[in-house]
Amino acid sequence: GAGVSQSPSNKVTEKGKDVELRCDPISGHTALYWYRQSLGQGLEFLIYFQGNSAPDKSGLPSDRFSAERTGGSVSTLTIQRTQQEDSAVYLCASSNGQGRWGYTFGSGTRLTVV
Amino acid sequence: AQSVAQPEDQVNVAEGNPLTVKCTYSVSGNPYLFWYVQYPNRGLQFLLKYITGDNLVKGSYGFEAEFNKSQTSFHLKKPSALVSDSALYFCAVRDIDAGNNRKLIWGLGTSLAVNP
Repeated sequence: GAGVSQSPSNKVTEKGKDVELRCDPISGHTALYWYRQSLGQGLEFLIYFQGNSAPDKSGLPSDRFSAERTGGSVSTLTIQRTQQEDSAVYLCASSNGQGRWGYTFGSGTRLTVV
Repeated sequence: AQSVAQPEDQVNVAEGNPLTVKCTYSVSGNPYLFWYVQYPNRGLQFLLKYITGDNLVKGSYGFEAEFNKSQTSFHLKKPSALVSDSALYFCAVRDIDAGNNRKLIWGLGTSLAVNP
C-alpha cells in the first residue's frame, strides 16, 4: 500500500485479556519497528525486524509482549494478560533496509486497558 | 553509545515570530539526523533529514534545520511561526556506522505551542 497501515485504530480491552495489534508496512520495506507512546510522552522502542535476521527484542518491557512478522511483511504485536499500564498508543514504522531516509509511521493503535 | 537530547520539554512562541526547537546528539561516527512532527491524535510525520552535504536542510511546511558538527546540534527552525505549527516535535539520529543495528535513536520530544 501507499503507507503504513495499522489496525485497529482503537482498542479497549479488559484487564487480563490478550490483544493483537496489526501492522502492514510499506511494500518493499525490509525493516519494521514497533514503538509505544504514552500520553504526551516520547517514543519507547519495543522491537525491530530487519529482513530475515533475528529481531531485536531489546525494548519489550516484559514477557507478556511478543511480536512476529510473517513472510517479511505484516507484523502482529501481541500483549498477553493486559495491564492498565499497557494503555498507550502503539506505533508501527517501516523503512528500507538502510534506513537512510527515515521511517514511515502508521497512525497507531490506541490501546486502553480498563 | 548513541543518544539524542531535546533539552526543552516545551517551547512557546508568538505567531509570526521565529521559532527554534533544539536538538543535540551523540554518535560515534557521522550521523543521519531527522526531525519528525506529531500533530494531536496523529502519527509521526517526517519533516526533514540531514545525510550529507549542505549543513542547512530545508523541509516540509517551511521548516529548516542546521547541522552543526562542532556543536553536535541539529536545531529545527522556522522564520515565522504559525498557530498550526503547534505540535510535538521529535529529533532522531542514526549512526552511519551502525552496521546491522539501524534503529533510529529518538529524543523525548518538544511540545511547541504557537500563540495567536
